[in-house]
Amino acid sequence: AQSVTQLDSQVPVFEEAPVELRCNYSSSVSVYLFWYVQYPNQGLQLLLKYLSGSTLVKGINGFEAEFNKSQTSFHLRKPSVHISDTAEYFCAVSPRQGAQKLVFGQGTRLTINP
Amino acid sequence: DGGITQSPKYLFRKEGQNVTLSCEQNLNHDAMYWYRQDPGQGLRLIYYSQIVNDFQKGDIAEGYSVSREKKESFPLTVTSAQKNPTAFYLCASSPQTGVNTEAFFGQGTRLTVV
Repeated sequence: AQSVTQLDSQVPVFEEAPVELRCNYSSSVSVYLFWYVQYPNQGLQLLLKYLSGSTLVKGINGFEAEFNKSQTSFHLRKPSVHISDTAEYFCAVSPRQGAQKLVFGQGTRLTINP
Repeated sequence: DGGITQSPKYLFRKEGQNVTLSCEQNLNHDAMYWYRQDPGQGLRLIYYSQIVNDFQKGDIAEGYSVSREKKESFPLTVTSAQKNPTAFYLCASSPQTGVNTEAFFGQGTRLTVV
């Protein structure tokens, strides 16, 4: 079984400041890792994913994440945020074998203040 | 445009009624999924289907039913047995099982019991 913990339910930051959204996971099997973004009353859009290879993954909208196997973490970062980054962000994992049943964290609401 | 279409966007149900949420995809994906989203709880898997005429229960299947008669369609019925059906429902699809790639999400259906 897998579980995902997003350590912050809300993160307020000022525009153009850096941000880090934290995600830890546990799993008895090897997993793939994902970050999704959700704008109000919308579906989820993939920001980035880690399947294998380099542990630093770059995604859309200037986001990146680093997979740390020893700490079972997959934190999301952006060096300079914009007002348009205001949204809810979800970390998720899925087993490497079988159906892509995503297990999600509780979400982090990122609020950008001018 | 290829994608996943969920309908309706908003749905109101009286207590004791069954309702069916539609999910259609034209991405030629084999696997389809239904998730439920509640505030502060992330997304939880209700049902998933890896192939036509086959589906499996997810973590919170009680009070729900599905069918997969066509590759493109995966409707979800919320039955009167579901004690707390008010939630945001998201449908997703992915290319194939056994090879983990990106899951694509619809725009969601918000169900409210009145």
